[in-house]
Amino acid sequence: GQQVMQIPQYQHVQEGEDFTTYCNSSTTLSNIQWYKQRPGGHPVFLIQLVKSGEVKKQKRLTFQFGEAKKNSSLHITATQTTDVGTYFCGTGAGSYQLTFGKGTKLSVIP
Amino acid sequence: DADVTQTPRNRITKTGKRIMLECSQTKGHDRMYWYRQDPGLGLQLIYYSFDVKDINKGEISDGYSVSRQAQAKFSLSLESAIPNQTALYFCATSDTIKQYFGPGTRLTVT
Repeated sequence: GQQVMQIPQYQHVQEGEDFTTYCNSSTTLSNIQWYKQRPGGHPVFLIQLVKSGEVKKQKRLTFQFGEAKKNSSLHITATQTTDVGTYFCGTGAGSYQLTFGKGTKLSVIP
Repeated sequence: DADVTQTPRNRITKTGKRIMLECSQTKGHDRMYWYRQDPGLGLQLIYYSFDVKDINKGEISDGYSVSRQAQAKFSLSLESAIPNQTALYFCATSDTIKQYFGPGTRLTVT
């Protein structure tokens, strides 16, 4: 199956700073999904990207899918304490048999 | 999501014991999954089922078995639990776009 590498594994930021996590693959991906897991919680779907070069925004979150469909990024502008958690990328055939990256754990220092 | 429930939420068991984790969903989805989460390793797929008669092994199925009793129910069994099966276990369902995760079962094998 398709493999995705996610970096960094951990990120500590001051509240108000920006944050970016990256998801990379050596092969072309059919899609990329992003999930957020709050501490003590379960993963929750954020978004799906399927088109080359696609950019989607959700308030302070910006999601990008690379032109070659081999990488993706999630950028958070002006982090808040509510952004704390682990962000996972996943890829697969639609929502089926997703292969997840190992996640980026975000800590926000107030 | 409250639409996906898991029982028990926490369980401590001894090496060699058989244990069953249960998952129920009210979303009406055909597709169901079991994942294991270990710190720093992300979400690893154990088994998945696309309907009651279709069950498939995931990345890490050794030591686990599953049963799909009905569209709404998907159980995970550890036939003879071992300490390295200590982890957080998530059940999930999916529609054509996203996966919906249950609250998780924290299993400790001593």
